[in-house]
Amino acid sequence: DADVTQTPRNRITKTGKRIMLECSQTKGHDRMYWYRQDPGLGLRLIYYSFDVKDINKGEISDGYSVSRQAQAKFSLSLESAIPNQTALYFCATSVAGGTDTQYFGPGTRLTVL
Amino acid sequence: DAKTTQPPSMDCAEGRAANLPCNHSTISGNEYVYWYRQIHSQGPQYIIHGLKNNETNEMASLIITEDRKSSTLILPHATLRDTAVYYCITGGTSYGKLTFGQGTILTVHP
Repeated sequence: DADVTQTPRNRITKTGKRIMLECSQTKGHDRMYWYRQDPGLGLRLIYYSFDVKDINKGEISDGYSVSRQAQAKFSLSLESAIPNQTALYFCATSVAGGTDTQYFGPGTRLTVL
Repeated sequence: DAKTTQPPSMDCAEGRAANLPCNHSTISGNEYVYWYRQIHSQGPQYIIHGLKNNETNEMASLIITEDRKSSTLILPHATLRDTAVYYCITGGTSYGKLTFGQGTILTVHP
């Protein structure tokens, strides 16, 4: 969905490096999410934010941190990347108070060597 | 959120209806049923959702059993571009979190 953009789309980095993945949305949604997907598996929730001041851990938050800089921007950081964080990362948004219909970005393919 | 069970894979001939089943026997009264699909490694795409009644939109129809323990996603005229992984998810409106399982790989063949 072009309304949700992610940068970079692909990134190769080395173990121990700090990496930031960025997500921007023009949908005007309050809620934003970060998921990761490993090969052959479904998506797992890393962090979610219901508004700028409300950030919550998902099921696999260890090794990650997030920042909600504005309603439209939600960044995911890997403080010290490790190889098992190699995955596809997706950002998503949804409307507050509505159903849980989420709209996903195109994804970032991250490789940690 | 309730857990869902889907067949790992299904095949469908192009032009025919694709019927994808999902079991969600532990669904609670206020949880919706959502369907998403993921084409190759693209971001998941929302298809449809429902609570109790059957729903239809331009992409698909959703049939939910009266006891709400299972549902079927129907793609009325499958095309090759419908080849994807289809995820059935249940969730409520208060948490805003969706739990993705492994889904059904639907292959549409000529």
